[in-house]
Amino acid sequence: GENVEQHPSTLSVQEGDSAVIKCTYSDSASNYFPWYKQELGKGPQLIIDIRSNVGEKKDQRIAVTLNKTAKHFSLHITETQPEDSAVYFCAASMVGGADGLTFGKGTHLIIQP
Amino acid sequence: EAQVTQNPRYLITVTGKKLTVTCSQNMNHEYMSWYRQDPGLGLRQIYYSMNVEVTDKGDVPEGYKVSRKEKRNFPLILESPSPNQTSLYFCASSRVHSDGNTIYFGEGSWLTVV
Repeated sequence: GENVEQHPSTLSVQEGDSAVIKCTYSDSASNYFPWYKQELGKGPQLIIDIRSNVGEKKDQRIAVTLNKTAKHFSLHITETQPEDSAVYFCAASMVGGADGLTFGKGTHLIIQP
Repeated sequence: EAQVTQNPRYLITVTGKKLTVTCSQNMNHEYMSWYRQDPGLGLRQIYYSMNVEVTDKGDVPEGYKVSRKEKRNFPLILESPSPNQTSLYFCASSRVHSDGNTIYFGEGSWLTVV
């Protein structure tokens, strides 16, 4: 089955700086890679996703890049703000497959004022 | 408003006392799933369901049961809870499993087994 590794487990950045979270996956058949943000006391919420037919996707201050050859994908947050503080999860799956998403272990992002 | 509703949100129970965590979604989604979240382990899938009367094991199904008698409901059953099932549980649903459609999560159910 799929295995997703996520790094770092904790990331502390100064407000206004950029943050990068990296994930690798093991199953070359995976072709759908979402990122979820989990705020304290809440369930995870989708913030951005990418399919394997594109290498990069942006949504305002958030971007995701995908390298299918190397089997890794990254989340980039620019101009970080206090409300970006949360736990972020990457995930991978095969679109249309019978199995659920396989999640990374999460990154606790801390934005320092 | 699109919602996945779990109950109870918080529960302390004793070893061996059967309990059920209910999950209901109002989006007419075919796909529903249960995850548990533990420190350092992230989200791990317990069971999932592709549609009514269709359920399959996820990565950590031991000690759990599910049923999908109706499209909107997907209860998680712990027949004989043990302390290692103390965890934060999330129910999730989507229109079609991971087919580029957003998976919606409930708010979570904190379960403590003593």
